[in-house]
Amino acid sequence: TQLLEQSPQFLSIQEGENLTVYCNSSSVFSSLQWYRQEPGEGPVLLVTVVTGGEVKKLKRLTFQFGDARKDSSLHITAAQPGDTGLYLCAVSNTDKLIFGTGTRLQVFP
Amino acid sequence: DAMVIQNPRYQVTQFGKPVTLSCSQTLNHNVMYWYQQKSSQAPKLLFHYYDKDFNNEADTPDNFQSRRPNTSFCFLDIRSPGLGDAAMYLCATSGFRGSVEQFFGPGTRLTVL
Repeated sequence: TQLLEQSPQFLSIQEGENLTVYCNSSSVFSSLQWYRQEPGEGPVLLVTVVTGGEVKKLKRLTFQFGDARKDSSLHITAAQPGDTGLYLCAVSNTDKLIFGTGTRLQVFP
Repeated sequence: DAMVIQNPRYQVTQFGKPVTLSCSQTLNHNVMYWYQQKSSQAPKLLFHYYDKDFNNEADTPDNFQSRRPNTSFCFLDIRSPGLGDAAMYLCATSGFRGSVEQFFGPGTRLTVL
């Protein structure tokens, strides 16, 4: 079983639409990260959330950490083609990152 | 700019022919990682180094080996590549043990003919 389940697995939308990606677990975490990986590149850290209920905004991206620190969401407002990529949530376990199952987003012009 | 560099970006090898992928970093980070990533999947950790201390994942095949001759460089050796080893190979670093942030290189896409 996967520690971090993301949904949806795939998302294909038109430019200008809003979307939400979810990252769920039955475990409690001290922090959680979101990475974006563009085609042909390595993942890049977008944000780290550490406090239950925390909301962080990064331009059109809004990240929320669940009150119980078991889940997180990423909301994108007015998606653009440049948002296309693989979105990965992750948690740290000693030296290692445990990645979620991933959400592949395609935004069409 | 400080960064993680992977060479080559694209590598083609033949079935069974050994191949080495390289990674270098200018961040002076203690921890270096190698991941394998197949299409539309999350990266899968193969092994990592904390300084010279090598940590192999339990399910990493023996076909995959690694070397870290110094802080800046780390190599991934695939002794006898099979068709199933075709993937993107990502190198990453983090500043210290327990750090929540990893910095990834752009990856090497390996094709096995």
